Amino acid sequence: EAAVTQSPRNKVAVTGGKVTLSCNQTNNHNNMYWYRQDTGHGLRLIHYSYGAGSTEKGDIPDGYKASRPSQENFSLILELATPSQTSVYFCASGDALGGRDTQYFGPGTRLLVL
Amino acid sequence: GQQVQQSPTSLVLQEGENAELQCNFSTSLNSMQWFYQRPGGSLVSVFYNPSGTKQSGRLTSTTVIKERRSSLHISSSQITDSGTYLCAIGSNAKLTFGKGTKLSVKS
Repeated sequence: EAAVTQSPRNKVAVTGGKVTLSCNQTNNHNNMYWYRQDTGHGLRLIHYSYGAGSTEKGDIPDGYKASRPSQENFSLILELATPSQTSVYFCASGDALGGRDTQYFGPGTRLLVL
Repeated sequence: GQQVQQSPTSLVLQEGENAELQCNFSTSLNSMQWFYQRPGGSLVSVFYNPSGTKQSGRLTSTTVIKERRSSLHISSSQITDSGTYLCAIGSNAKLTFGKGTKLSVKS
């Protein structure tokens, strides 16, 4: 089974502060993803990456940056956190081999911006 | 963009009853996946089923691409089946999710 871990699991931040969410995967997948999940909206894609050094904008990238320094690690960065970014954030990895587009999810990070 | 609609939004069953969850999508796809999410938990893949019918224990998934729909059937529901079921369609290595069906199974 693919292993995706996230840190921190819970985070309280202040408005205007910088927040970095980290994700690590040990299954050597090329692709990694950051989603947020909010009541009424489901899961929405923020940023994704096809491999080390690459980042792509998802459906809701405004206010977020991403960094993929290695195959294993993918970070989501909130330079100036706002209360509207309070949410649960999920990281996922996948390889899309043979067009399968399957993804494996981490446990999530609960972020509260005050 | 791609649209994924799930129905019903919520469902309450007595233990032992069957459930039928629906997922409709507006565009063509490369893949269809069903996920299960326990309250406060992460997503776990239940089925990868881009076409046809697949069964695993009490769960059966049927995807009909030309009708742009997929269903998840849960037979003889158990309390431990409670949670949210999400469908997602895949294209170009990205998934688009529906908003989910929240299932509550009561004794």
